[in-house]
Amino acid sequence: ILNVEQSPQSLHVQEGDSTNFTCSFPSSNFYALHWYRWETAKSPEALFVMTLNGDEKKKGRISATLNTKEGYSYLYIIGSQPEDSATYLCASYNTDKLIFGTGTRLQVFP
Amino acid sequence: ETGVTQSPTHLIKTRGQQVTLRCSSQSGHNTVSWYQQALGQGPQFIFQYYREEENGRGNFPPRFSGLQFPNYSSELNVNALELDDSALYLCASSPMDRGPGNTIYFGEGSWLTVV
Repeated sequence: ILNVEQSPQSLHVQEGDSTNFTCSFPSSNFYALHWYRWETAKSPEALFVMTLNGDEKKKGRISATLNTKEGYSYLYIIGSQPEDSATYLCASYNTDKLIFGTGTRLQVFP
Repeated sequence: ETGVTQSPTHLIKTRGQQVTLRCSSQSGHNTVSWYQQALGQGPQFIFQYYREEENGRGNFPPRFSGLQFPNYSSELNVNALELDDSALYLCASSPMDRGPGNTIYFGEGSWLTVV
């Protein structure tokens, strides 16, 4: 059974703080790791698709790293803004399907 | 805006009834997957359709079935609804060259409540 785990479950930060969260996944038979940002009542927004060990990707103030040998990915947000408040989901791609973690719920206070 | 549209957005059904949820995939995407998100969980894979055929199924009973049409739109049908089927149902589409490096786009989901 393939388990994807995310931590922390929830996070509250002040505007301007930098933050990061973790996604752990089984390292065997790895294909790809997907990150999504999901605001309430909207569709999950694709942030990154990462496939290679050592991958680092960036989108504005958000970046992610990937370690496929030890089975983890970090998502970083620099200078958090209230509009960053959302649930951040990671998912491991396996045999044509995504296996999701339960997400990290981020709340940024002004 | 992902280009993936789902309908209806919300619906309420009675236990034992049947429901059909619909999804239009992003233009050019021939692969559609369905996921169920119950409260407190991450989305769980139900099944995937590729070129109108089922191409993988998660741990869901046969009363969950689907269809994909020539225009790549898709339906999810659930028969004999149970209270535990209450959840958000998400549709996802991906481009023709299926593979792990492709971005997978999601719709906003259909909220199903079974009473």
